[in-house]
Amino acid sequence: SYELIQPPSVSVSPGQTASITCSGDKLRNKFVCWYQQKPGQSPVLVIYQDSRRPSGIPERFSGSNSGNTATLTISGTQAMDESDYYCQAWDISTAHILFGGGTKLTVL
Amino acid sequence: EVQLVESGGGLVQTGRSLRLSCTASGFTFGDYAMSWFRRAPEKGLEWVGFIRSKTYGGTAEYAASVKGRFTISRDDSKSIAYLQLNSLKAEDTAVYYCSRDPIAATGTNYYYYYMDVWGNGTTVTVSS
Repeated sequence: SYELIQPPSVSVSPGQTASITCSGDKLRNKFVCWYQQKPGQSPVLVIYQDSRRPSGIPERFSGSNSGNTATLTISGTQAMDESDYYCQAWDISTAHILFGGGTKLTVL
Repeated sequence: EVQLVESGGGLVQTGRSLRLSCTASGFTFGDYAMSWFRRAPEKGLEWVGFIRSKTYGGTAEYAASVKGRFTISRDDSKSIAYLQLNSLKAEDTAVYYCSRDPIAATGTNYYYYYMDVWGNGTTVTVSS
């Protein structure tokens, strides 16, 4: 079955750029979305269709997808960005929604 | 305001059943697929299953971990999606979320679902 693989954790200093990866076989052939979930809160969509930002999401959030890896990039990371992040794709062959295991972003 | 509100969670014994509801407001419920997710303690978010809109057949798909035990249905006249949980196990203990799933079609004969609105969740605790 198709899997999306994320690193369990990423650390970044305030003001620096954080990159969170999501890997899967020929992932470039799928559209990838990213969700932020803070402790005790519901998930929030921050990127869809690889690189599009929903209204209300700060410009410092961006996304890309190439080859076997999609990347969520947070520029000028702020303390409020400390959260769990999940990548998601749609597997058209099985009609299943795919989720990565999640990455805990720590802003040190 | 677009809103999803889950309800029906609680404490239940192993092997029993529970039905969760996801009540939608602020949008045309019947136009969207709806998903259920869960997050167990100390674990990541897990997709449970989803139900298509009637336009796309109204059928449901499930994760392997719950297939055969959980059932998703919808009542478009009431704007509610349901998750029926049967034969509950301790490992089903989690916060359960519903989401609104737009379907996006691209010009290359490809489509995909994503989750643009989420509820606040309802907690299910399964104990012996």
